[in-house]
Amino acid sequence: DIQMTQSPSSLSASVGDRVTITCRASQSISIYLNWYQQKLGKAPKLLIYAASSLQTGVTSRFSGSGSGTDFTLTISSLQPEDFATYYCQQSYSSPYSFGQGTRLEIK
Amino acid sequence: QLQLQESGPGLVKPSETLSLTCTVSGGSISSGSYFWGWIRQPPGKGLEYIGSIYYSGDTYYNPSLKSRVTISVDTSKNQFSLKLNSVTAADTAVYYCARRILLGFAQDWFDPWGQGTLVTVSS
Repeated sequence: DIQMTQSPSSLSASVGDRVTITCRASQSISIYLNWYQQKLGKAPKLLIYAASSLQTGVTSRFSGSGSGTDFTLTISSLQPEDFATYYCQQSYSSPYSFGQGTRLEIK
Repeated sequence: QLQLQESGPGLVKPSETLSLTCTVSGGSISSGSYFWGWIRQPPGKGLEYIGSIYYSGDTYYNPSLKSRVTISVDTSKNQFSLKLNSVTAADTAVYYCARRILLGFAQDWFDPWGQGTLVTVSS
């Protein structure tokens, strides 16, 4: 099974900050990497698919990059609505696995 | 706009079977490019993939749960279902259903998701 490890596990930042979250796979997954945002008590929402493709309707503040084993999610200028937990997910091989999550909090 | 809604008991006794149904509206469960999946999230923890099904009935399960899981589809009702037997407290979680989109190279993701339903395993 492929293990996904995110860092950091939690992060405090201010509105307007640029934030980067990292996700590392235990083996190469090409660009089979998705990013989701989950707000408290809500279902996850797809932000980025195939490592760097922005889902329709998602603000361009979000961007993704990487291939192989190392990936990043960047939020260019944090807005109040961006404070949430973020998960990466690999779709390279079953069982599809998620990172443990990165909780983004207001400083 | 496609919507998914989970339904089923919120409380299940240990050793019994957890049964949930996901009703799909705003689109057909028989659309060819989509699978239909279940993901769960224990309280305060991360996400775990359970399995998915194609409208033809082909299923794919997480090996960690495979011996206890059955996912089925009812195209006439536009629904798919999850059964997890021999449950323990470790199966307490919010259970989400989601559409799995599979379009081609690296284009494989879950969207949208249902709102989720909390299932507690307790006597």
